[in-house]
Amino acid sequence: DAGITQSPRYKITETGRQVTLMCHQTWSHSYMFWYRQDLGHGLRLIYYSAAADITDKGEVPDGYVVSRSKTENFPLTLESATRSQTSVYFCASSPLRAHNEQFFGPGTRLTVL
Amino acid sequence: AQSVTQPDIHITVSEGASLELRCNYSYGATPYLFWYVQSPGQGLQLLLKYFSGDTLVQGIKGFEAEFKRSQSSFNLRKPSVHWSDAAEYFCAVGGHDYKLSFGAGTTVTVRA
Repeated sequence: DAGITQSPRYKITETGRQVTLMCHQTWSHSYMFWYRQDLGHGLRLIYYSAAADITDKGEVPDGYVVSRSKTENFPLTLESATRSQTSVYFCASSPLRAHNEQFFGPGTRLTVL
Repeated sequence: AQSVTQPDIHITVSEGASLELRCNYSYGATPYLFWYVQSPGQGLQLLLKYFSGDTLVQGIKGFEAEFKRSQSSFNLRKPSVHWSDAAEYFCAVGGHDYKLSFGAGTTVTVRA
């Protein structure tokens, strides 16, 4: 199916473990984004990417790593998970010349124990 | 830098009544403005968007929003709310890069 998918949808892990959240889009959109959603904060940008092999930090990048070797994939890695990284994570994509309009995946709920 | 304020954290409205959600933005030029809706456990769905032109924009599900430059606002309205409109609503602003800044969201509860 076309669109933007995230996996896993739910993940429970322990403090100190490495976790990778996957994001895949079939539209060949140039831009991709990772957000975290926490009560009272709305969505905060973690990392974004303008194209394959081009990534940049957003508002809250500490503790996260991204890569983008292919246009369609944008994985987010928590190198050593902490309880403060318990959150819902959303991936989004946006085509060129879309006036910033973004299309969102269904989200991944991550719990760090 | 751009920013968005949604002054109302939570609004309760009766089914059939009108709804208005407030959004104020900060941006130095003409912004791109969006309203997204998030149902429980779901991702964000675009309700409507403003890029230029007519300041009253129509969206899906019977929603509309009005861009008022003088007030730096982009309030969302619906004349008659349905129980299925219970959700969280996010206002977002974008500028001449490709990023969006989101407000903290307004949760809408619909009572019978």
